[in-house]
Amino acid sequence: ETGVTQSPTHLIKTRGQQVTLRCSSQSGHNTVSWYQQALGQGPQFIFQYYREEENGRGNFPPRFSGLQFPNYSSELNVNALELDDSALYLCASSLTSGNADTQYFGPGTRLTVL
Amino acid sequence: GQQVMQIPQYQHVQEGEDFTTYCNSSTTLSNIQWYKQRPGGHPVFLIQLVKSGEVKKQKRLTFQFGEAKKNSSLHITATQTTDVGTYFCAGGSYNTDKLIFGTGTRLQVFP
Repeated sequence: ETGVTQSPTHLIKTRGQQVTLRCSSQSGHNTVSWYQQALGQGPQFIFQYYREEENGRGNFPPRFSGLQFPNYSSELNVNALELDDSALYLCASSLTSGNADTQYFGPGTRLTVL
Repeated sequence: GQQVMQIPQYQHVQEGEDFTTYCNSSTTLSNIQWYKQRPGGHPVFLIQLVKSGEVKKQKRLTFQFGEAKKNSSLHITATQTTDVGTYFCAGGSYNTDKLIFGTGTRLQVFP
């Protein structure tokens, strides 16, 4: 177990709706990264939060947004859901924000958009 | 953009056979990490390689980082059913300072 938790486990939404996913980082970790993993694909980097500020963003539209709180937990918000947003959303915490740091993944939130 | 590709996409082996997955990047990497994702699970860190030509072993698993730091391999000797899962490499990008995950190799082991 990594100590990273995510909620909810599963979620079903309809196209056009909005969703908020939550993540609690491992104790001592100040960096949280969010990934989207479509079925049969590798995790795709959405963005990273370091000390409550966005610290890097992948190739995702602005309707994907996030927050990090003073306790380093984080939220991922997706507006105007599309069918292609159906995926496993993974949160990973790390000790620092650099690319050499091990990612400790949570169990993920499985989002289905109908 | 930067890409990290893995081959093969799928591999089915008989228990006891060896398995190798290869990871190739379009750009030089600062480090390479390997993760294993069991069916229905999440990626779990296995190892990190940093130096050019580095080789590391974990029991039956051997990891290698290429001399040019653009490719890597994971070799499993005498596979067991517990090795089933998808193996991902993840390369550290100098450009973005973030990890880029590979496409993954799904391993199925038949008893």
